[in-house]
Amino acid sequence: NAGVMQNPRHLVRRRGQEARLRCSPMKGHSHVYWYRQLPEEGLKFMVYLQKENIIDESGMPKERFSAEFPKEGPSILRIQQVVRGDSAAYFCASSPLGTANTEAFFGQGTRLTVV
Amino acid sequence: GENVEQHPSTLSVQEGDSAVIKCTYSDSASNYFPWYKQELGKRPQLIIDIRSNVGEKKDQRIAVTLNKTAKHFSLHITETQPEDSAVYFCAGNAGNMLTFGGGTRLMVKP
Repeated sequence: NAGVMQNPRHLVRRRGQEARLRCSPMKGHSHVYWYRQLPEEGLKFMVYLQKENIIDESGMPKERFSAEFPKEGPSILRIQQVVRGDSAAYFCASSPLGTANTEAFFGQGTRLTVV
Repeated sequence: GENVEQHPSTLSVQEGDSAVIKCTYSDSASNYFPWYKQELGKRPQLIIDIRSNVGEKKDQRIAVTLNKTAKHFSLHITETQPEDSAVYFCAGNAGNMLTFGGGTRLMVKP
């Protein structure tokens, strides 16, 4: 089992460009969570998805940010028209049954730098 | 929603001493409390967890205690070693997702 895979590991974007972050959960895991971590800060919840459904997006900014987890393929976190304040590490975690019953495993993260 | 508070934000101990990190949570629906260790530039990794049907769990030098009535739980590391130096995060799982505390930076001085 390869674990939770995120790519790219590092992403540099100019202000106004789009950023696409990918997360492939562990095999057999259908629950995906995205978190943002600013330097020297904690893990802030953004969105919780199951296959083809957004379960909770209460932590996601209303504009410019979107997430999906299609039936086939990885989960995608998309940030449109990036600004310097979007620079952060973005982690995804996956779980087979949701954290009510099972633990969550994190990917290595994508470090987004907006220049 | 769930709110998890974590203290202290930084903790410095001598090698061999014990370290204790404390967390409180607000949502009584939380029933699973994991602890993650994050080394610089790396992913958070689960080190121990506890469910609400037990009060204490131990794994070698690491133990976690849970007081459901008071809504607080703690991480105890005994005989600390330099490789324990990292940021530690607690979490609660209300709403079927993890809400994290702000983190504790543990520094173990040799």
